[in-house]
Amino acid sequence: GQQVMQIPQYQHVQEGEDFTTYCNSSTTLSNIQWYKQRPGGHPVFLIQLVKSGEVKKQKRLTFQFGEAKKNSSLHITATQTTDVGTYFCGWLTGGGNKLTFGTGTQLKVEL
Amino acid sequence: NAGVTQTPKFRILKIGQSMTLQCTQDMNHNYMYWYRQDPGMGLKLIYYSVGAGITDKGEVPNGYNVSRSTTEDFPLRLELAAPSQTSVYFCASNLEGLAAEQYFGPGTRLTVT
Repeated sequence: GQQVMQIPQYQHVQEGEDFTTYCNSSTTLSNIQWYKQRPGGHPVFLIQLVKSGEVKKQKRLTFQFGEAKKNSSLHITATQTTDVGTYFCGWLTGGGNKLTFGTGTQLKVEL
Repeated sequence: NAGVTQTPKFRILKIGQSMTLQCTQDMNHNYMYWYRQDPGMGLKLIYYSVGAGITDKGEVPNGYNVSRSTTEDFPLRLELAAPSQTSVYFCASNLEGLAAEQYFGPGTRLTVT
């Protein structure tokens, strides 16, 4: 069956360093969504990628969807304390009837 | 717009008790969802609805029930609370289904002891 892993589970960085989280699938994905959840908060949608090789940018955030649509990454350039939180990927399964979420990458940013 | 609102914010239940988690959205969204999030884990879909009067099971529906009598409201019912239902519950909604941005409510933190 399909297996999707989100790595790393945790990441501590110094403010100003870069950060990347990955979602890697054993099978082709139809789409991938990224969400951010601040500590004690609720998930907030960041972006959806659907095309092979797609790259989208939002200020310091860069999202990529691999050519084979089996992996995706979220890269933050020059992290700030406001980037603290858990980043989740989500992908459609069950013929498009279900959105499954990864276990998330918890980012901590130290001054 | 208030967006998606959930009540209560916190609740402690004893084993075997029942309760309803309320969810309301004022964005006229057709699709609504209930998720649970266990510590350190991702979200798991409990139930969803594609419109008033239509509901369907998600990944982890056992122990829960839902109804959708109006576009705005999507309550989640726990009939016989069990410790395994200790979790944070999020309601979400959107216009276009799972392949589109979902708007989440602030969550209900439930403890069953």
